[in-house]
Amino acid sequence: SAVISQKPSRDICQRGTSLTIQCQVDSQVTMMFWYRQQPGQSLTLIATANQGSEATYESGFVIDKFPISRPNLTFSTLTVSNLSPEDSSIYLCSVGDRARGYTFGSGTRLTVV
Amino acid sequence: SQQGEEDPQALSIQEGENATMNCSYKTSINNLQWYRQNSGRGLVHLILIRSNEREKHSGRLRVTLDTSKKSSSLLITASRAADTASYFCATDPPKGAQKLVFGQGTRLTINP
Repeated sequence: SAVISQKPSRDICQRGTSLTIQCQVDSQVTMMFWYRQQPGQSLTLIATANQGSEATYESGFVIDKFPISRPNLTFSTLTVSNLSPEDSSIYLCSVGDRARGYTFGSGTRLTVV
Repeated sequence: SQQGEEDPQALSIQEGENATMNCSYKTSINNLQWYRQNSGRGLVHLILIRSNEREKHSGRLRVTLDTSKKSSSLLITASRAADTASYFCATDPPKGAQKLVFGQGTRLTINP
């Protein structure tokens, strides 16, 4: 299965700033997925990123708040912009398919102060 | 709303005992997957069971699926301290966009 390198592992950010999270995959993949896990909660899908097209966002998530880049088949970034304390969460990227399951990055723990 | 509901929310057992976690879901699925998360880090894929399968084994893990009841269970036998983690079920719909929907998770603590 694919190996994902996710950076940074954690960060503390000021309100109003932005954080960009990177995921590098060791093989080419068609789709990459971005999730948010709020404290003590389960994972919620933010968006699906395909190379060469706009990301598809889930209900409740918008591109202005969570812009995503997918410049090639092995890399993607998620930016969480205009940070507020409510954005404090773990953010995870994932790749895979419905036949075999999914691999997740190690997560980025974001704290907004 | 969340597709999956898991119970118990938290489970604490002694090392060597078996741990059983349950997951219920609401709509049709293509498959159901179980994941482990240690200390709020990344998720590790444990096992995938397809909608036409009833039981699957992987080492000390046993997963069952009952599509008529829309439920699944994960059994960990002979538990170890290293099994302490949160366990999530996730469902994948039979058609349409790939999209995992996660349950709320069970926090498992194995006491030495």
